Amino acid sequence: AQSVTQLGSHVSVSEGALVLLRCNYSSSVPPYLFWYVQYPNQGLQLLLKYTSAATLVKGINGFEAEFKKSETSFHLTKPSAHMSDAAEYFCAVSDRQGGSEKLVFGKGTKLTVNP
Amino acid sequence: DGGITQSPKYLFRKEGQNVTLSCEQNLNHDAMYWYRQDPGQGLRLIYYSQIVNDFQKGDIAEGYSVSREKKESFPLTVTSAQKNPTAFYLCASSIPGRVLYEQYFGPGTRLTVT
Repeated sequence: AQSVTQLGSHVSVSEGALVLLRCNYSSSVPPYLFWYVQYPNQGLQLLLKYTSAATLVKGINGFEAEFKKSETSFHLTKPSAHMSDAAEYFCAVSDRQGGSEKLVFGKGTKLTVNP
Repeated sequence: DGGITQSPKYLFRKEGQNVTLSCEQNLNHDAMYWYRQDPGQGLRLIYYSQIVNDFQKGDIAEGYSVSREKKESFPLTVTSAQKNPTAFYLCASSIPGRVLYEQYFGPGTRLTVT
């Protein structure tokens, strides 16, 4: 079964600093990978997705992620953090079993941005 | 605007009562999903449905039930058999096989059982 590990349940950065949120996946087949963002008491919003085209994926709000097959990683980055980036971020990997399509989510990383 | 509606936003129940959470979508998506979210646990799949009148158990289906009588609706019932029902519940939808697993989420319902 596919799985996702997000290293660091909490990450704190200063405003203007680099944001790096780590995601490693386990998949027996070429995966599709996603990053979602969740603001308090809201649903999840898609930031970006990797679907086997370019390995460097650009998303919304200045975020990007790089698919590295050799490292089974899909880390999320943003060059300069903004206060509005404070939220919880989830990495997810595709899972196809018996004709059903699902996503397997990591446990999330809560990002704090300090002024 | 197309989207997913979950109601109510906050729900309170007494222990021992069944409660049904609503999820409606007007995206014309075939597949719908229910997740449970607890602090530090990520999202865990409760039930999912790929087409009308069909659904499958996810990883934590015990104590929950669903129905899928219409394409637009996928209500979740939290039964009295669910031992720890207090949680944030998220509904999602997708188009199987066409948008590469991308799921669209509703705003969630926070259920508190005392």
